[in-house]
Amino acid sequence: DAGVTQSPTHLIKTRGQQVTLRCSPKSGHDTVSWYQQALGQGPQFIFQYYEEEERQRGNFPDRFSGHQFPNYSSELNVNALLLGDSALYLCASSLRDTYSPLHFGNGTRLTVT
Amino acid sequence: GQQLNQSPQSMFIQEGEDVSMNCTSSSIFNTWLWYKQDPGEGPVLLIALYKAGELTSNGRLTAQFGITRKDSFLNISASIPSDVGIYFCAGRITGGGNKLTFGTGTQLKVEL
Repeated sequence: DAGVTQSPTHLIKTRGQQVTLRCSPKSGHDTVSWYQQALGQGPQFIFQYYEEEERQRGNFPDRFSGHQFPNYSSELNVNALLLGDSALYLCASSLRDTYSPLHFGNGTRLTVT
Repeated sequence: GQQLNQSPQSMFIQEGEDVSMNCTSSSIFNTWLWYKQDPGEGPVLLIALYKAGELTSNGRLTAQFGITRKDSFLNISASIPSDVGIYFCAGRITGGGNKLTFGTGTQLKVEL
């Protein structure tokens, strides 16, 4: 049973560029959430998708956008990259049930230079 | 963004010792979760708590949902080298959907 998979594992981009990160949820899960984890910090909630729509959003600017596909996989897009966007981006999947535990992938390490 | 207060920030203990860490919030939570994160990996769920006062064990790990619903505790008994890592508490605020708010983490180091 495959868990949450993310790609790529590492990425280096230049300020001002755009990036797309990808996530496949754990088998049976229909809800995908994205988190940003800066070095030495706990993960911070970016947004959550189910039924192909953004359902909740954290305190992140509009430069951060996402998409969920019919097969429940998801993408995170970040435009006009800033140095401060350098972080580990984690995808978590769950069931739509509010009490469903979140299962995390191993993340994409994004470095902005 | 908001983060839960987690203490201690780091611990350096001897193998075989018991470990305690806690997490506090200014908001009431309806769920508390404890995760462990190893270098280069995502957080792995250890224990989930859903009711105030609930005490749940997973092997050598025991966690409790505080009766005020504003705190939670994690205990590890008889620590072993593979317990090394960063432990995060996380919670869901009532009415906040499935969004998790994470603690600042407790880094555990075990001396042989």
